[in-house]
Amino acid sequence: EIVLTQSPDFQSVTPKEKVTITCRASQSIGSSLHWYQQKPDQSPKLLIKYASQSLSGVPSRFSGSGSGTDFTLTINGLEAEDAATYYCHQSSTWTFGQGTKVEIK
Amino acid sequence: EVQLVESGGGLVQPEGSLRLSCAASGFSFSTYAMHWVRQAPGKGLEYVSAISSNGGNTYYANSVRGRFTISRDNSKNTLYLQMDSLRAEDMAVYYCARQYYGSGTYYDYWGQGTLVTVSS
Repeated sequence: EIVLTQSPDFQSVTPKEKVTITCRASQSIGSSLHWYQQKPDQSPKLLIKYASQSLSGVPSRFSGSGSGTDFTLTINGLEAEDAATYYCHQSSTWTFGQGTKVEIK
Repeated sequence: EVQLVESGGGLVQPEGSLRLSCAASGFSFSTYAMHWVRQAPGKGLEYVSAISSNGGNTYYANSVRGRFTISRDNSKNTLYLQMDSLRAEDMAVYYCARQYYGSGTYYDYWGQGTLVTVSS
């Protein structure tokens, strides 16, 4: 089973600050890594596909990078509406990272 | 507009059974693989099961293999999850999710979820 490990588990951030979340895979998964945002009491929403591909309708402050085993989600200039839990997900065997909760200070 | 609407959740006793449904609309259901993903209270997301577009191939997480059965009825645009021998650790919100075209892709649409409570 491919295990995804995110860090940190929790981050408290001031608005306009930069947020960096990492996701490490237990074996190489190429670019089959996707990022989701889940706000309280909502379903997850796709943010970034294939490690770095942006999506229509997702604010440009969200970006992704990485390949193989190490991946990063960056939020450039956090906004209050970005308070959520972020999950990485690999589509080789469909496992998720444990999640990173981002709180606004 | 793509819509996925889950139903069938509720309270069930340990070792009991429950059948979840996911009604799909707004897209050609029979051309997409579909998944079930669950989230225990206060916990993260966990892949449960997947089924190919024609229903010919099914996949399960180790934690549910042998107890859960995924199926679909493309004539009714509906996805199912039959859950037997339920355990306390199966208590969760169950989401159905659409897998974008192709293998190794992502979930592009999710339902709102249905809560399964396992308790005596």
